[in-house]
Amino acid sequence: SAVISQKPSRDICQRGTSLTIQCQVDSQVTMMFWYRQQPGQSLTLIATANQGSEATYESGFVIDKFPISRPNLTFSTLTVSNMSPEDSSIYLCSVETSRDRAYEQYFGPGTRLTVT
Amino acid sequence: RKEVEQDPGPFNVPEGATVAFNCTYSNSASQSFFWYRQDCRKEPKLLMSVYSSGNEDGRFTAQLNRASQYISLLIRDSKLSDSATYLCVVNMGGRRALTFGSGTRLQVQP
Repeated sequence: SAVISQKPSRDICQRGTSLTIQCQVDSQVTMMFWYRQQPGQSLTLIATANQGSEATYESGFVIDKFPISRPNLTFSTLTVSNMSPEDSSIYLCSVETSRDRAYEQYFGPGTRLTVT
Repeated sequence: RKEVEQDPGPFNVPEGATVAFNCTYSNSASQSFFWYRQDCRKEPKLLMSVYSSGNEDGRFTAQLNRASQYISLLIRDSKLSDSATYLCVVNMGGRRALTFGSGTRLQVQP
């Protein structure tokens, strides 16, 4: 597995502001993903962060609201823009590694965001 | 219909009990299957990948039935530390991104 860190671990933000979340992994990985987990819910994929190209967003998520950067194979950022209370959630990055010709995903510790 | 369906529970079992969780998925083209465990206020942690032949890791056994689009997880000799939410996770139609079930909550009681 990989060692993944996220910053910040938590934040409380005012509506209308933006927050950038960083995800760092201790080894080079091809695939990185950003998920959201709203209170009491399971995880929902926001986008796949592609190195060297634009992120691929899931239905219901757009680049203007959740811009993503992936400057290299160990790092990615997710920005939550123009926040509203509905954006209060845990945001998690994950990385994909391969083992025995199968792919497995491991998650960072998450960023707990509260928008007031 | 949800893409991955699980019984939310909670399953309340005594220590030492055997408990089984089931999960169904809707996309017959799904290729990879996993069970994750999530403790309260923590990130999901990979418990097991699920293979067509079934696989076992200590007290945990996972089974896959592709014909019925059904995945199961069996926990034997439950420990208090097994208390968590168990997430059934599927890689849909060959995509690398994961689709999560809503989770099944397990509470093991002394």
